[in-house]
Amino acid sequence: EVQLLESGGGLVQPGGSLRLSCAASGFTFTSYTMNWVRQAPGKGLEWVSAISGSGATYYADSVKGRFTISRDTSQNSLFLQMNSLRAEDMAIYYCAKDGYNGYGTIDYWGQGTPVTVSS
Amino acid sequence: DVVMTQSPLSLPVTLGQPASISCRSSQSLVYSDGYTYLNWFQQRPGQSPRRLIYKVSNRDSGVPDRFSGSGSGTEFTLKISRVEAEDVGVYYCMQGTHWPPYTFGQGTKLEIK
Repeated sequence: EVQLLESGGGLVQPGGSLRLSCAASGFTFTSYTMNWVRQAPGKGLEWVSAISGSGATYYADSVKGRFTISRDTSQNSLFLQMNSLRAEDMAIYYCAKDGYNGYGTIDYWGQGTPVTVSS
Repeated sequence: DVVMTQSPLSLPVTLGQPASISCRSSQSLVYSDGYTYLNWFQQRPGQSPRRLIYKVSNRDSGVPDRFSGSGSGTEFTLKISRVEAEDVGVYYCMQGTHWPPYTFGQGTKLEIK
């Protein structure tokens, strides 16, 4: 059974940093692209970043240069380092598994971890 | 980036009645392999999104057969044949053809009349 468990969310001041984690299990971690998708309060879904099975990284324009996606294949863990946080980054952040490896679909989602950016 | 446009954004439905949600893409979603990577997700209140449909019309395991997807090119539809109380939530279409990025529709909020 695929399981994705996010952690690391919390309250941070504008300009601050936060590191999100996602513990993955139930599938071969390095065979799939992994994504971060966020949802601002009362809003829709926005793709944020991805890391492919081979380790290539991709970012939405809105976070490029501020966020860094990485993974630890020995621990089947996904990370999102978020720097220079802004009010508009406040959202629930979901870890999401690709159905393939770099296109097509997302087939599993974690429960999400909330990030609040406020002074 | 491909823009996904859903309608309606709000959908009040009587229990037992059908419901239909439209999704349009700004470009054709036919991939080089011939498949069309259009997905539908359901997000119940307070829950994470859950995939219902992939590649336009393929239902995920455990999804009731009252849910169906159709369409081609740039026009797609999610239909619920008879709405039940557990169907309340927000429905999103998402394209996976022109990745990155994945892009989502604005969401359609289904409520019981």
